[in-house]
Amino acid sequence: GAVVSQHPSRVICKSGTSVKIECRSLDFQATTMFWYRQFPKKSLMLMATSNEGSKATYEQGVEKDKFLINHASLTLSTLTVTSAHPEDSSFYICSATGTPAFYNEQFFGPGTRLTVL
Amino acid sequence: RKEVEQDPGPFNVPEGATVAFNCTYSNSASQSFFWYRQDCRKEPKLLMSVYSSGNEDGRFTAQLNRASQYISLLIRDSKLSDSATYLCVVTPYSSASKIIFGSGTRLSIRP
Repeated sequence: GAVVSQHPSRVICKSGTSVKIECRSLDFQATTMFWYRQFPKKSLMLMATSNEGSKATYEQGVEKDKFLINHASLTLSTLTVTSAHPEDSSFYICSATGTPAFYNEQFFGPGTRLTVL
Repeated sequence: RKEVEQDPGPFNVPEGATVAFNCTYSNSASQSFFWYRQDCRKEPKLLMSVYSSGNEDGRFTAQLNRASQYISLLIRDSKLSDSATYLCVVTPYSSASKIIFGSGTRLSIRP
């Protein structure tokens, strides 16, 4: 149980385009989903916390108008990177926690590798 | 001071050796502690939770020292497959799910 999927796993796009990444909890209700970014050989950096049905809470330094997060249902959250630029190239990982209670354990999606040309 | 600090390594040890690394945290109100493992280009996976009384899972032993605000991970009889980055994870608040990752310790096991 507690499986989280992400789609797509890899995307290459041109500078200026928008990219949508989906994060789904397959067998549990994800009341909270998190979006992380990881640059090569760096640690995971939390971008935003998303609770179902409410606006996401962004970490300091993360532009909410550039990284649009939608958590419309208990099993799906999306991250849209708008007007992507090469510096946005990174590994984006979502995680989820929810019901039944997982005692703060987070379940991670497999990640999406974004390359912006 | 970072909220969660780890020695980045790399730790390069021979197969069969015992290796240990620590992680310090700055918020004394931290409630939950975990070790995650991350393989190259993969997502983190929970290795084990860390309890106040310490816990052991096979070759892995995790301990928590609240007085000194650190957690440790000990790996005995290391295997080649243990090569990975080990992430220390701390949940600072009792009621929130937000967690903070350390930058990770790279471990490389050589034959």
